[in-house]
Amino acid sequence: DAKTTQPTSMDCAEGRAANLPCNHSTISGNEYVYWYRQIHSQGPQYIIHGLKNNETNEMASLIITEDRKSSTLILPHATLRDTAVYYCIVRVASGLNPDMRFGAGTRLTVKP
Amino acid sequence: KAGVTQTPRYLIKTRGQQVTLSCSPISGHRSVSWYQQTPGQGLQFLFEYFSETQRNKGNFPGRFSGRQFSNSRSEMNVSTLELGDSALYLCASSFQGFQTEAFFGQGTRLTVV
Repeated sequence: DAKTTQPTSMDCAEGRAANLPCNHSTISGNEYVYWYRQIHSQGPQYIIHGLKNNETNEMASLIITEDRKSSTLILPHATLRDTAVYYCIVRVASGLNPDMRFGAGTRLTVKP
Repeated sequence: KAGVTQTPRYLIKTRGQQVTLSCSPISGHRSVSWYQQTPGQGLQFLFEYFSETQRNKGNFPGRFSGRQFSNSRSEMNVSTLELGDSALYLCASSFQGFQTEAFFGQGTRLTVV
């Protein structure tokens, strides 16, 4: 079962920041937070991941709370092409269980 | 470099038949995972192969099987197809299978009639 909770859907205006929350209150110390997105009819695309520090790459920023029970994915300047389903996943950093348990995700709609 | 390639992209089969799907991972990646995606159940993990060995398996019946070859290419087989097997089947490759990001293919859309 997925170990994360995300809102079902969100809207964002084009050019504004999109902030997508995720709750993972049962996360354990060796689990990372991963974000993927899936644009309609395509395979999921990796966005970013982190353990406890905030992370930033060319696509997004990941803010993880100090207690690690929740995180926020930030798309700084959303475009229409960012419309997709965004999945927040927790997974172990090592070991023999590398599978990712996807939840229902958040359907982000970027509007002009 | 080339991404993850899945073939075929679309497939129509009849109930009771079997089907084999193929996945070619990114060069150098040794881990291949398979997922089933349906509107009702979302993305569900099927199994993962690493260096020709199945390392992990999801909660699917034995009709779903797979294998991995020495060049890391993987195949997934579904026998005795049921209508409920209609889905998008995705494979993902990664360097080690954990602690690294996975790259997904475009998927194979299987329709069982």
